[in-house]
Amino acid sequence: GQNIDQPTEMTATEGAIVQINCTYQTSGFNGLFWYQQHAGEAPTFLSYNVLDGLEEKGRFSSFLSRSKGYSYLLLKELQMKDSASYLCAVRDSNYQLIWGAGTKLIIKP
Amino acid sequence: TAGITQAPTSQILAAGRSMTLRCTQDMRHNAMYWYRQDLGLGLRLIHYSNTAGTTGKGEVPDGYSVSRANTDDFPLTLASAVPSQTSVYFCASSDDAGSTDTQYFGPGTRLTVL
Repeated sequence: GQNIDQPTEMTATEGAIVQINCTYQTSGFNGLFWYQQHAGEAPTFLSYNVLDGLEEKGRFSSFLSRSKGYSYLLLKELQMKDSASYLCAVRDSNYQLIWGAGTKLIIKP
Repeated sequence: TAGITQAPTSQILAAGRSMTLRCTQDMRHNAMYWYRQDLGLGLRLIHYSNTAGTTGKGEVPDGYSVSRANTDDFPLTLASAVPSQTSVYFCASSDDAGSTDTQYFGPGTRLTVL
């Protein structure tokens, strides 16, 4: 079966750095996405990785290792508004997105 | 621009009744999707449409039907609602012209079936 694993919940301090991990086992791989979802709102696109390595976009970076079936989202200089759920999704061989259950990130002052 | 709109925002529905969730996008995206999101689970694909006039089944299609008469609209119908269909429903669209084919989501419809 297809599976995306991420931690259920993480806590971090304002101004710090946090890394959210995602491991996947899917039938095929055609890219990995990270989305942010605030409570009661829609998911919004953060990043996309299809090749191994690090993609940096402002305070957010995303890393991919296809051989290990592993990705992480790195958030720097955490702000209270970063409190949200972070969803990892992999596009499989059928070009459909398989979604993890999300990681709820709690930021403390 | 409005992007993707969904209606209604929320609804309480008696079991056995039918209902159509509406979804409209103004981005001229070819592909559209319906997902449900339940606590502790990832988004699950119900139905999708790669282009107007075509539809396909996702991971959890039973009890739901869709149509895609034009590019902008992608309604989701529950013919006879059951309590297990209580969920938050998200519509999404993507422009497959780009290499990333990123999906963009509507605000969601919160449905409670009693």
